[in-house]
Amino acid sequence: DTEVTQTPKHLVMGMTNKKSLKCEQHMGHRAMYWYKQKAKKPPELMFVYSYEKLSINESVPSRFSPECPNSSLLNLHLHALQPEDSALYLCASSPAGANYGYTFGSGTRLTVV
Amino acid sequence: AQTVTQSQPEMSVQEAETVTLSCTYDTSENNYYLFWYKQPPSRQMILVIRQEAYKQQNATENRFSVNFQKAAKSFSLKISDSQLGDTAMYFCACGGGATNKLIFGTGTLLAVQP
Repeated sequence: DTEVTQTPKHLVMGMTNKKSLKCEQHMGHRAMYWYKQKAKKPPELMFVYSYEKLSINESVPSRFSPECPNSSLLNLHLHALQPEDSALYLCASSPAGANYGYTFGSGTRLTVV
Repeated sequence: AQTVTQSQPEMSVQEAETVTLSCTYDTSENNYYLFWYKQPPSRQMILVIRQEAYKQQNATENRFSVNFQKAAKSFSLKISDSQLGDTAMYFCACGGGATNKLIFGTGTLLAVQP
């Protein structure tokens, strides 16, 4: 299995909702990442998990809450989002660190209404 | 800190021709890696090619090759025999070493014309 699987592919949520994005990989990778991407812009790093521990938080607002229950699974919990949070959320994984690049999932298209 | 700059927002090439996408970077790392990613309309980021900064030899992957000029901090991507399926946004990225981050440039939208 050489894929990173993200669910759901599309999500529409209201500003008072609570939802979660899920990311799964079975490549034995020990680092996992969340990126946010606006249309026609590069991905922006949000969080890095290394060996199931949060190692980087790029000053992301607390309405985004990451969780890494085990080495194969990464969640992003969403609460009280704003319309400007609408974006493509990409999950990625790597063996350990960025030396070999990342394997990306196909993303969750999030719309906040 | 690392920065990556792509100065060509959009480019166009005829099918079967060759095109070169430009990228410059800056990093304080001694041991770093450079990447080109492709993002087609299907939106998944796909790794095209990887270059180890400590290697002078330019990386190649089939029709894709790079021109890595370490002193100039330049890392361009050459696509030979362009195909319609090469139409995508291309991102240059820098990362690795002590920092577990991949930093992306602003991207170049490449259109391959039939």
